[in-house]
Amino acid sequence: KQEVTQIPAALSVPEGENLVLNCSFTDSAIYNLQWFRQDPGKGLTSLLLIQSSQREQTSGRLNASLDKSSGRSTLYIAASQPGDSATYLCAVGNSGYALNFGKGTSLLVTP
Amino acid sequence: GAVVSQHPSWVICKSGTSVKIECRSLDFQATTMFWYRQFPKQSLMLMATSNEGSKATYEQGVEKDKFLINHASLTLSTLTVTSAHPEDSSFYICSARSGYTYEQYFGPGTRLTVT
Repeated sequence: KQEVTQIPAALSVPEGENLVLNCSFTDSAIYNLQWFRQDPGKGLTSLLLIQSSQREQTSGRLNASLDKSSGRSTLYIAASQPGDSATYLCAVGNSGYALNFGKGTSLLVTP
Repeated sequence: GAVVSQHPSWVICKSGTSVKIECRSLDFQATTMFWYRQFPKQSLMLMATSNEGSKATYEQGVEKDKFLINHASLTLSTLTVTSAHPEDSSFYICSARSGYTYEQYFGPGTRLTVT
């Protein structure tokens, strides 16, 4: 069974800092990996999707990388802003296409 | 982009009653839909996989007679929580998978509170 781990569980940074969120998974036979953002009490917002054949994806200030062989992905957020404060979830897609989620990293960006 | 809606967004019901949650893909056909549950400060856990026109596949530990899933069309799946109890109180989120990509599109979630 795929296990997805996210480190750190919580992170607090001052505005403007660049930061890295980490995600690791145990089964490297994946179809894809997605990063989501979840605001308190809300649903999921998809940030980036990386297919298994890809190494990274970029969207604005976000960059996600994927290293299947080592079972790792990172989400890089450049020039963080208070509006980036949320929980970031890493999810891995295996056979059947259901996603296995990590527990998330709770990010707080202080002004 | 692809949009998935859920209705209702929140519901309060009394213990012993049943509640139906709808999940719709608004601008694409979804051959597969997934139902997840999220308890406070926990991550999303897959409950079941729903394929249009066939019976849902439930994850281990999820009671199929309690959580009835129907996927009658390519744009609609429903989850009915039967004889709800307070421990069923949770955030239920559906997702729909496009028939053309592996990407899943998530609904906004339904918060169920059973009193």
